[in-house]
Amino acid sequence: DAGITQSPRHKVTETGTPVTLRCHQTENHRYMYWYRQDPGHGLRLIHYSYGVKDTDKGEVSDGYSVSRSKTEDFLLTLESATSSQTSVYFCAIRQEATNEKLFFGSGTQLSVL
Amino acid sequence: AQKITQTQPGMFVQEKEAVTLDCTYDTSDQSYGLFWYKQPSSGEMIFLIYQGSYDEQNATEGRYSLNFQKARKSANLVISASQLGDSAMYFCAMRGPFRQGGKLIFGQGTELSVKP
Repeated sequence: DAGITQSPRHKVTETGTPVTLRCHQTENHRYMYWYRQDPGHGLRLIHYSYGVKDTDKGEVSDGYSVSRSKTEDFLLTLESATSSQTSVYFCAIRQEATNEKLFFGSGTQLSVL
Repeated sequence: AQKITQTQPGMFVQEKEAVTLDCTYDTSDQSYGLFWYKQPSSGEMIFLIYQGSYDEQNATEGRYSLNFQKARKSANLVISASQLGDSAMYFCAMRGPFRQGGKLIFGQGTELSVKP
């Protein structure tokens, strides 16, 4: 456990509504990542952050935005949710001190109806 | 471009036997890292083992070892003495360059089932 909390754990929403997922960490890690997991695709990177207000896109960033106003929180926003964004979303931190490995949060199951 | 390939969608192994999960990768970078994660049915992603591209010896962590063959660009996971609790999805991942955020690129996973 690397002190990562994702909220909510489950969410059901309707097409066209905005949705924000939160990732909170307690260990002051610089790098944070948002991945989505879909059957047959493994985990794919949406966005990542390398510091407060410093973010960059991943391979599947369309339809998503992120914000990091303080070190401990990394927010993922779906501005107008679509059914194709139904997925499991994982937040991760990179532990720079030990082999640079990523630790993951417990995930958020998002269903867009 | 970097790529990770896991060619075994599903595998079965008898309890107490060893099993090898295949992973091949492609990168033009000299410095990279290779990881294996386990995802049980509960859904969490559990770090298992890490191998750096400059590490001369294969990584080991308890019953897990990583068979690193750099020239062949393979990083197979070996689980010795399989246990029922090893039944899960296993993902191979490669860390890209730090100048690109050091993000992990994942394979599609292998579902391992351990038979009693």
